[in-house]
Order: sequence, then C-alpha cells, then structure tokens
Amino acid sequence: EPEVTQTPSHQVTQMGQEVILRCVPISNHLYFYWYRQILGQKVEFLVSFYNNEISEKSEIFDDQFSVERPDGSNFTLKIRSTKLEDSAMYFCASRKQGITEAFFGQGTRLTVV
Amino acid sequence: AQKVTQAQTEISVVEKEDVTLDCVYETRDTTYYLFWYKQPPSGELVFLIRRNSFDEQNEISGRYSWNFQKSTSSFNFTITASQVVDSAVYFCALSEEMGNAGKSTFGDGTTLTVKP
Repeated sequence: EPEVTQTPSHQVTQMGQEVILRCVPISNHLYFYWYRQILGQKVEFLVSFYNNEISEKSEIFDDQFSVERPDGSNFTLKIRSTKLEDSAMYFCASRKQGITEAFFGQGTRLTVV
Repeated sequence: AQKVTQAQTEISVVEKEDVTLDCVYETRDTTYYLFWYKQPPSGELVFLIRRNSFDEQNEISGRYSWNFQKSTSSFNFTITASQVVDSAVYFCALSEEMGNAGKSTFGDGTTLTVKP
C-alpha cells in the first residue's frame, strides 16, 4: 500500500542551525501539507502546498520556514535558524485530487538543543 | 474559523469496558469532513474514519463505532470491549471543503488508557 515517507525519523540539531525535513508524498497526490505537534499537545497546521505554490499557511509558519518541491517527488520543510521552541514532531501529509482523506507520514521528531 | 473540542483530556478504563470519546466541532462551512485518528506511543497518526457533512449515518467497524449528530455538531467515537492495545491518544479533526486548502484542524486529543 502506498504511503507517505518522511526522513529522518529523528533529527537533533543545535539552536541556530538550519534543518531540512524531507517527505516523499504518495505519487499521484496533488495536495501536500506540513503539520507540527509539540510534545503532549495537539497537531497544528503549518502550511499547504498545491500546484507548486503555498495555498495556505498558519501564523506559526513565519519567515523562518519555507517549503519546496525540488524535484517532483520530494516535499521539504526548511527551518532556517532553529529555536528551542521548534522542537516538535513534524508530520507531512498528502492528499489526492477529489479525495479528502489526507495520508500522514510517520513523522520526524526534531529536537533542538 | 474552524474549531474542534475534545473535552476529555484523559480517560482510564479497565479492559472490556466500553468507552466513548467525545468530539464537538464548529465550522461555518456547509460542506466539511470529520476524522478520527489514533496516535499510539510510537507517535504516528493512524487514520480511523472519515465522515462528510452530508452523511449522518452512524458507522460500525468491528469494536469501533461512530455517532455523527449534525444537530449537536458532535462526532463521538465509541470503543466496545476495550483492549490494552487501544491505549493511545485519539484526535478528532475537521477539514474544510475540498475546493479550499483542505487543511485539517485537530482537537487537543484524548489520552485513553486501558488497564488490564
């Protein structure tokens, strides 16, 4: 069964460093999302991406964040200069045209030290 | 704006008990979608069910059942004869109409502990 794949599963980085979280959505999906879950809290929407551009972003998604679909298969989330409060689980999701269920990846746990 | 409320932060039951997880939502959209996800200790989100706003039929899948009541804006989830493996955090989520971004708004989650 096709699935959304995220790498790495766990990333530890120093405060101020740039990180790139990678996702491979399901191949025939057209809508892509990043969500964040701070430990013990709810899952929060960060950004949605369609047709090679951001379609919506939350107030969390400030200038430190960017997304890209560099090669037609990967979908990345970059955090330019990480802060301690960026420590969280980051979920990538993708959705097919006409189908509303979003398929979530297994998540990348980001720890900023 | 969309909002999902899961008033029960934590629930603890003994194995074989039935348990109902509550979900109340708010939206101005006439077309919307409701979801339940399970998040086991390993952290991934496991999709359980999707329901659209036009389909108020309740659904049963094995030990799981869902009660969608549009009149009270509720989408409750019942586990019958709970098992230890049901222990997890359960999230209710709401998604707006497909033509828009389709993002999901999640509730705060309910932590279910099933004791042997």
